[in-house]
Amino acid sequence: QVQLQESGPGLMKPSQTLSLTCTVSGGSISSGDFYWSWIRQHPQKGLEWIGYISYSGRTYYNPSLKSRFAISADTSKNQFSLKVNSVTAADTAVYYCARTPGQYCSFTTCRQFDSWGQGTLVTVSS
Amino acid sequence: QSPLTQPAYVSGSPGQSITISCIGTSSDVGRYDYVTWYQQHPDKAPRVMIFDVTNRPSGVSNRFSGSKSDNTASLTISGLRAEDEADYYCSSYTSSTTSVVFGGGTKLTVL
Repeated sequence: QVQLQESGPGLMKPSQTLSLTCTVSGGSISSGDFYWSWIRQHPQKGLEWIGYISYSGRTYYNPSLKSRFAISADTSKNQFSLKVNSVTAADTAVYYCARTPGQYCSFTTCRQFDSWGQGTLVTVSS
Repeated sequence: QSPLTQPAYVSGSPGQSITISCIGTSSDVGRYDYVTWYQQHPDKAPRVMIFDVTNRPSGVSNRFSGSKSDNTASLTISGLRAEDEADYYCSSYTSSTTSVVFGGGTKLTVL
């Protein structure tokens, strides 16, 4: 059974670059037809899909978000990562990594996420 | 303001049935059968309870069911149990951004 675990800094200052990593166990991120996403949940608010990286390394981002986000993968460590440039208080959220079987993904998004990490809280404050 | 509208709170007594609504538009819920419902217990990861409007993943109790009418999707939980107390989120594909959007979540309390 696949397991995902996020790791990150916890506390950031405005204008810094946030780096989060998702470590996947129980399955390879580069084999099989799976897509790997980042999703965030603002305090007391709903969820927001950020983007994905596919098993083949293709990425796609939520067009509603500004282009401050970048997802990459390190297949040797079976990890994928999220970088967010120039963070502000509005980026304060719990960040989740998640997996989707390819049959539930299109070129522009995935419509469901069947395995999630526990989430990591990122607070942006001066 | 979340793209999909859910009631903030719903409650019911053990054994009863409850329904949580998820109101979208003709660009998302009304157009596509791509509604997913998630259950989230405190400090836990979300779990898929229903996908593609009516489908239950293996391992999910048949007390959970989904439906859709026009721009509104619904999650019904029958035979309410204490362990059903959690937050529930709906999501849908939307053609307005060609992305997936979520509801603001509903806190279910089992009285």
